[in-house]
Amino acid sequence: GAGVSQSPSNKVTEKGKDVELRCDPISGHTALYWYRQSLGQGLEFLIYFQGNSAPDKSGLPSDRFSAERTGGSVSTLTIQRTQQEDSAVYLCASSLSTGMNTEAFFGQGTRLTVV
Amino acid sequence: AQKVTQAQTEISVVEKEDVTLDCVYETRDTTYYLFWYKQPPSGELVFLIRRNSFDEQNEISGRYSWNFQKSTSSFNFTITASQVVDSAVYFCALSEVNNYGQNFVFGPGTRLSVLP
Repeated sequence: GAGVSQSPSNKVTEKGKDVELRCDPISGHTALYWYRQSLGQGLEFLIYFQGNSAPDKSGLPSDRFSAERTGGSVSTLTIQRTQQEDSAVYLCASSLSTGMNTEAFFGQGTRLTVV
Repeated sequence: AQKVTQAQTEISVVEKEDVTLDCVYETRDTTYYLFWYKQPPSGELVFLIRRNSFDEQNEISGRYSWNFQKSTSSFNFTITASQVVDSAVYFCALSEVNNYGQNFVFGPGTRLSVLP
């Protein structure tokens, strides 16, 4: 596709349920990032994948959060036993390479609401 | 540790005024890149500019201009003759390289409201 695609665009879930958020990066982009943006706040780094290498998980807020990237392309962010504080917009981005000179392109995000 | 500060939380201006958004960064790297992104009400972050640490020339793109000063670790963004469509949250970001590769450190953002 032309840009980073995220699905669903909106998700309402009950507290305690698991959710899966999907990110389809720009074709050919080797790096993929997940960020979280709470209402009116900045971007909180969650996890970063570079190709097939082990991901940088240093931003995951708890062990309820996990992510995988299959075949170096599509990524899924899973939140288990969701809590109300997990409500936020989850943004995915991809970039062409690991060089510091490459900008990241963002998807439109998934707005997660935990009720 | 890498850090990006955007001291202005919210700015309101009247259309056609000029406005400058401040960005101050901290890094121990000698080579780094700085970015500005715009997040309009629709929510999607839009890339605006990328600068490397070796190029301190100011850049102008239409009504947008950027002032990069290594001596003060600042990368400020000026919008000339602001328009209502410029209303958005603007994020400054710094790229860093760790054991895993490149990552981005974002500032908290500045919400700009341009009033008609």
